[in-house]
Amino acid sequence: SQTIHQWPATLVQPVGSPLSLECTVEGTSNPNLYWYRQAAGRGLQLLFYSVGIGQISSEVPQNLSASRPQDRQFILSSKKLLLSDSGFYLCAWSVGVTGLNEQYFGPGTRLTVT
Amino acid sequence: QQQVKQSPQSLIVQKGGISIINCAYENTAFDYFPWYQQFPGKGPALLIAIRPDVSEKKEGRFTISFNKSAKQFSLHIMDSQPGDSATYFCAASMGNYGGSQGNLIFGKGTKLSVKP
Repeated sequence: SQTIHQWPATLVQPVGSPLSLECTVEGTSNPNLYWYRQAAGRGLQLLFYSVGIGQISSEVPQNLSASRPQDRQFILSSKKLLLSDSGFYLCAWSVGVTGLNEQYFGPGTRLTVT
Repeated sequence: QQQVKQSPQSLIVQKGGISIINCAYENTAFDYFPWYQQFPGKGPALLIAIRPDVSEKKEGRFTISFNKSAKQFSLHIMDSQPGDSATYFCAASMGNYGGSQGNLIFGKGTKLSVKP
């Protein structure tokens, strides 16, 4: 069966510091991978998605970036965090180029920028 | 045209009652409509999904009703329980398309509280 991991689970970082969040998927090959951000009490905002190694599409311009160095690894980064980067970061995966876009979410990373 | 509008924002239901959450969309190319359930501090979990070739899909106490002509779909939770208290998100996508067109468009969520 497929599982998705995210770490760290919780992170407190000062403004201006760098960020690296990691997501890995097990039990599937060539998944589509997604990064979402969820502000407190708000909906899901798609940040990046990837259909393959090195292929990243950005949905929202900001000071975040994403990379996919391996098939089942997705990394969210920032060189300098802003207060507005605080939120709940979710990684998700799906399979297939077409057909049902069933997405499965990871447990999330709670980021607080102070 | 890419929006999915969800209502209500919050809902309080007594134990044993029926919870109903509604979503509306504009893009007639959407062909996949899932619902997600999210508990506090957890990632959303896929609950149930429907394609537009059927008007209703039931899984246990959860039912999706789909009205293609009205471009609306809804989640019904029968015999609601306190354990159902969570935030529910509807979503839509053009599932048969690749690239960004296949990405899910989410509603803003409904916070459901089931009172014992």
